[in-house]
Amino acid sequence: DAGVTQSPTHLIKTRGQHVTLRCSPISGHKSVSWYQQVLGQGPQFIFQYYEKEERGRGNFPDRFSARQFPNYSSELNVNALLLGDSALYLCASSLDRSWGGYTFGSGTRLTVV
Amino acid sequence: GESVGLHLPTLSVQEGDNSIINCAYSNSASDYFIWYKQESGKGPQFIIDIRSNMDKRQGQRVTVLLNKTVKHLSLQIAATQPGDSAVYFCAENMGYREGAQKLVFGQGTRLTINP
Repeated sequence: DAGVTQSPTHLIKTRGQHVTLRCSPISGHKSVSWYQQVLGQGPQFIFQYYEKEERGRGNFPDRFSARQFPNYSSELNVNALLLGDSALYLCASSLDRSWGGYTFGSGTRLTVV
Repeated sequence: GESVGLHLPTLSVQEGDNSIINCAYSNSASDYFIWYKQESGKGPQFIIDIRSNMDKRQGQRVTVLLNKTVKHLSLQIAATQPGDSAVYFCAENMGYREGAQKLVFGQGTRLTINP
């Protein structure tokens, strides 16, 4: 079975631009969460979506937004990119909406220059 | 602020020895903890979880111990193998009581296995 797939794997953007990151969860998984991982640190929670509704939001500015589609795939959007947004963005999916045992994708490495 | 933290950023052990990775948390009401392993270039991989109604839980070659009195948990890996080399994170699900997932991760401990 395919795991959690994220696209693109790498991208480079300029400050002020907008970016859309995509995630396809494991088949049957209805919960999708997004995390930001800065080099050398643990992942930091951004959003959780379950059954297409936002279930939680981390301490990120409104420049960050997300949505979940009827097929449970998800997009993370970041507007007005800053240098500090450079990080690995991880998507994770699970069957249960509260179980901590996610399956993570390999992430999208975003570099803002 | 961060509610979980690891004691050591790095740990080096001999192949075949047991490894113990420690983690402390600050909120006495915390009730659900998870351990993840992250290899270079990959996303974190779930290892084992434990709820606050348990003191110990075992998996394949791993044991997690939870000491609620001193707000400490540890991950023990038996007979460490080269494939165990990775960064290990403890995490707490801050959204558990609301039926959600909001994991707060510690800084991570890099485990290196010496041949």
